[in-house]
Formats: sequence, C-alpha cells, structure tokens
Amino acid sequence: DGGITQSPKYLFRKEGQNVTLSCEQNLNHDAMYWYRQDPGQGLRLIYYSQIVNDFQKGDIAEGYSVSREKKESFPLTVTSAQKNPTAFYLCASSSYLGSAEQYFGPGTRLTVT
Amino acid sequence: AQTVTQSQPEMSVQEAETVTLSCTYDTSESDYYLFWYKQPPSRQMILVIRQEAYKQQNATENRFSVNFQKAAKSFSLKISDSQLGDAAMYFCAYRSAPETSGSRLTFGEGTQLTVNP
Repeated sequence: DGGITQSPKYLFRKEGQNVTLSCEQNLNHDAMYWYRQDPGQGLRLIYYSQIVNDFQKGDIAEGYSVSREKKESFPLTVTSAQKNPTAFYLCASSSYLGSAEQYFGPGTRLTVT
Repeated sequence: AQTVTQSQPEMSVQEAETVTLSCTYDTSESDYYLFWYKQPPSRQMILVIRQEAYKQQNATENRFSVNFQKAAKSFSLKISDSQLGDAAMYFCAYRSAPETSGSRLTFGEGTQLTVNP
C-alpha cells in the first residue's frame, strides 16, 4: 500500500535529550513537510523540503532540525533547545504540481518530562 | 503572508441535518488553492474537498460542498445529511500556487463539529 508512515506512535523523552521522529513515504512525492499540533489548535509548519538535499524553515523552526538525504525520508530532530517540545507531530507529503493535496501520516505524540 | 481564520471553534448539528462551517482567508495572490481537511479522534488528517481559485464553480464531493466567494475571500463548507461519522475537527487550509512559494499549506485553527443523534 502507498502511504506515509511515522514511527513511533508515542514517544517519551526526558528533558534535555534530543529525539528524532521518523517519516517515510512511498508515494514518490517530491515535497515533504513537518507540522506541529498543540491541543485545540491548528497545524503549524516546522520545516519543509521540496527536493532531496534541500529544505526550508517553516513558521516555528527554532529548536528543530531536519535532513532530506533520500526522497522517501524526512526525519525531524527535536533538540534540547526546543522550549516546549510536548506536542503531536504530523508529517505530510505532496506532489509539487497544481492543486495536489498533502497526504498525512498518522502522527507521533511526543511527551517530554 | 497568508492567514486563514475559522471563527467558529465549535459547532453542533443534529444527525441528518445540514451544517455550514465558515472560513475566511487573507491573501494578495490571485492564484491559489483552498482545502478542507477533517481530523477525527484518530487524529489522521483526511482531505474532504479542494477548490482551485481560478474555477468559478463551487466544488462538490457527495454530501460535502463549498461556497467559494473569491472577492470576499470566503470559503465555507456545507455538510448535508450529517452523519455520526462526520464528527471531527475540520480545518480550512490555503496553498499558494507552487510557482510562487512552493506547496506549503497554511491552516486555520479548526472547528470542532459534534453530531447529535
């Protein structure tokens, strides 16, 4: 089946530790995205990548880092510099063309204590 | 920068009735796309309907339809014959034409829809 996978579904970390969230897609999409969702709020863009080895900061990139070494993969690292990392993280991908929708993964719930 | 506003944090509807969710946006662009996404309790984001700004005809997908008013920058979602499975958070989203700023989406804050049996 084609789609986007994110792992793990739930992730727990101690404050001060870096943590990497996985996102893989087999849709042959060029563009990939990371969003953060806080309770009762919409999605805010963290980083996005339109092509391998290139990515751009979104609206809330501070404290996060990404890499795009392969078309299929776009991992997100939440660093210890992120002041409030506990949130729900969604990965998405899309074709670059026209009105193509973004397809979303199932998300990862990160809890930092 | 574009902004998307959903002024109704919560809405409720009786099963089998019709409900309309509001969305307004602010942009100086003439070519763009608008979407409604649904997020049920599973938190999986699901595309409900899309509208291309250059199309005057309102998009329709089964029981879901939009009222797109380009001059007013309004993009409301109408759900007809509401079903219990329609209960979810609904997000309105804006996307610039890829040639201008890539394909990133800007989301509104969402409307929580409750369907009463």
